[in-house]
Amino acid sequence: GDSVTQMEGPVTLSEEACLTINCTYTATGYPSLFWYVQYPGEGLQLLLKATKADDKGSNKGFEATYRKETTSFHLEKGSVQVSDSAVYFCALITNRDDKIIFGKGTRLHILP
Amino acid sequence: DVKVTQSSRYLVKRTGEKVFLECVQDMDHENMFWYRQDPGLGLRLIYFSYDVKMKEKGDIPEGYSVSREKKERFSLILESASTNQTSMYLCASTSGARTGELFFGEGSRLTVL
Repeated sequence: GDSVTQMEGPVTLSEEACLTINCTYTATGYPSLFWYVQYPGEGLQLLLKATKADDKGSNKGFEATYRKETTSFHLEKGSVQVSDSAVYFCALITNRDDKIIFGKGTRLHILP
Repeated sequence: DVKVTQSSRYLVKRTGEKVFLECVQDMDHENMFWYRQDPGLGLRLIYFSYDVKMKEKGDIPEGYSVSREKKERFSLILESASTNQTSMYLCASTSGARTGELFFGEGSRLTVL
C-alpha cells in the first residue's frame, strides 16, 4: 500500500546550521506531497507542498523538491533558527481518495 | 482567520468512563478527520467523514465511534475509556477537492487513569 518513510529523530542542530530531513514515499499513481509542521503545544499546519514531479515547494525558508525518479521529497533549509524547533511530518495524498498518509514525524531541536 | 476548534485541551478520565471529544470547524469543509498521535507512531487515522451523518473507519477504529449531525461538528466518542487510549487526539478538516491541505485543531490530550 501507499506509505511515507522519513528519517527518525530527534535531530539536534546549532542555530544557522543547514538542515535536511529525508522523506521517501511509496504510492501508485501520481501523489501530491506535503510537509506539515507541529510547533510545541499546537496542531499541525501545512508548511509546503508539491503536486507533480520536479515541482519545488517553499515557505519560511524551507524547500522540498518532488523527485519522482528517487520517490523522495526531502525537506531542506539553509540556515535554521531556534524558532524552527518543531516536529516535521512528510505526507502524501493519492488521486484515488481523500485520505492523507503521514510519516511518523521527525523532531527537530535547534540550539542557540 | 479559519479555525478548527477542539473543545478540551486537556482531559483526565477514569477507566470505563464515556468520553466525548468535540471538534468544530468554521470553513464549511465537507471532510473531517480524527487522528491520534503517539510518540514513535506518528498520526494514525481513527475515523473520517465526508458528509453529514456519514462516517468511515480509518486505520484504528476499535474502541471509538463518531458522530456528525451537523456539517461543522465532528465528535469522537470513547464508549468505555481504557488506559491504552491515553493519547493526543487531533481533529482536522479539508474541503472535498483532494487538495491534501488539512487544517488541524490544537489537539486534546486525554489521560485515562
